[in-house]
Amino acid sequence: GENVEQHPSTLSVQEGDSAVIKCTYSDSASNYFPWYKQELGKGPQLIIDIRSNVGEKKDQRIAVTLNKTAKHFSLHITETQPEDSAVYFCAASPSNTGNQFYFGTGTSLTVIP
Amino acid sequence: NAGVTQTPKFQVLKTGQSMTLQCAQDMNHNSMYWYRQDPGMGLRLIYYSASEGTTDKGEVPNGYNVSRLNKREFSLRLESAAPSQTSVYFCASTISPGQPGDGYTFGSGTRLTVV
Repeated sequence: GENVEQHPSTLSVQEGDSAVIKCTYSDSASNYFPWYKQELGKGPQLIIDIRSNVGEKKDQRIAVTLNKTAKHFSLHITETQPEDSAVYFCAASPSNTGNQFYFGTGTSLTVIP
Repeated sequence: NAGVTQTPKFQVLKTGQSMTLQCAQDMNHNSMYWYRQDPGMGLRLIYYSASEGTTDKGEVPNGYNVSRLNKREFSLRLESAAPSQTSVYFCASTISPGQPGDGYTFGSGTRLTVV
């Protein structure tokens, strides 16, 4: 099955700096890559996603890039704010698995005011 | 619009006890999922239901059963709880079975402790 690796496991940045989280996947059949933000005591919430026919997608301060050849994708957060502090999960969904998602192990992001 | 509602939010069980975790969604989604979240392990799929009337095993189905009661509701049952099932359980739903859709909508989770 699909294997998703996520790095780093923890990340601390100063407010206003950028944060980058990287994920790799193993299954070339994966064609959908969502990113989730999980705040303490809450369920994960979709923040951005990208499909395999697109190399980059941006939504305000958040962007995701995808390199299909290398099988890796990254989340970029610019101008970080304290409210960006949370755990972020990447996921990959192979096209032949009934919309199953395989998640990375998460990155705990702390934005220091 | 409630989204995905899970009950209970917290539960403590003794080893060997049984319980059912309830999940309901009001978004007319076709597919529903049960995940467990453990420290350092991310989210792992237990069971899913691609559409009403169907259920399939995920990565970690042992010790669990599910029922897709109707389009809205998808329950997860632990027949004989074990300490290894101590975890946070999330229910999720999405509109498109078989194809990547809009991503999952998650519930707020059930924190289960088995002693």
